[in-house]
Amino acid sequence: QTVVTQEPSFSVSPGGTVTLTCGLTSGSVSTNYYPSWYQQTPGLAPRTLIYFTDTRSSGVPNRFSGSILGNKAALTITGAQADDESDYYCVLYMGSGIWVFGGGTKLTVL
Amino acid sequence: QVQLQESGPGLVKPSQTLSLTCTVSGGSISSGNYYWSWIRQPAGKGLEWIGRVYTSGSTNSNPSLRGRVTISVDTSKNQFSLKLSSVTAADTAVYYCARSGSGWYQVFDIWGQGTMVTVSS
Repeated sequence: QTVVTQEPSFSVSPGGTVTLTCGLTSGSVSTNYYPSWYQQTPGLAPRTLIYFTDTRSSGVPNRFSGSILGNKAALTITGAQADDESDYYCVLYMGSGIWVFGGGTKLTVL
Repeated sequence: QVQLQESGPGLVKPSQTLSLTCTVSGGSISSGNYYWSWIRQPAGKGLEWIGRVYTSGSTNSNPSLRGRVTISVDTSKNQFSLKLSSVTAADTAVYYCARSGSGWYQVFDIWGQGTMVTVSS
């Protein structure tokens, strides 16, 4: 069974840059998987950040960007702010109507 | 704009069937090429996609849950529903409904607020 991998946790200083990744236990992530990224704060529904690898959802600040880095999808936050401290999830479309979420990354800003 | 709202019992007994409904407001569930999904999240854990339905009634579901999941759509009520059978404590979670697109627009762009379901006797 395909597993989507994310770093369990990451830390960034205020104003710093951090890159979170989204990989596969078998194979490489490409745009064909339509990687998308979501931000979730405790008690709230996820918020859509990035879709189709690198397209920002409406209203998302341009400090959030998506890309493919090597064999993984990546979410980069440039100039991290305190309210970026959240859980971040990627999801890949595996085809045939099947989606698989990554385990999520808990980002700490300190 | 389109909004989603989950509803259903907050407590289900083990071995019974969990039933939830998602009501779509601010637009027709039938307009556009959208799929309607259920996603869940156990406390302190990650998101898990459960399955989806198209307005034609065609469905896809997570292979790990296949056999227990039934997702249906009622276009006349602008709703879609989830039934998860033979539940155990492991099915205790916040359940979200969400909309996704098709073609290149493969993204969960609209989410409900979520509803907590506890499986307990």
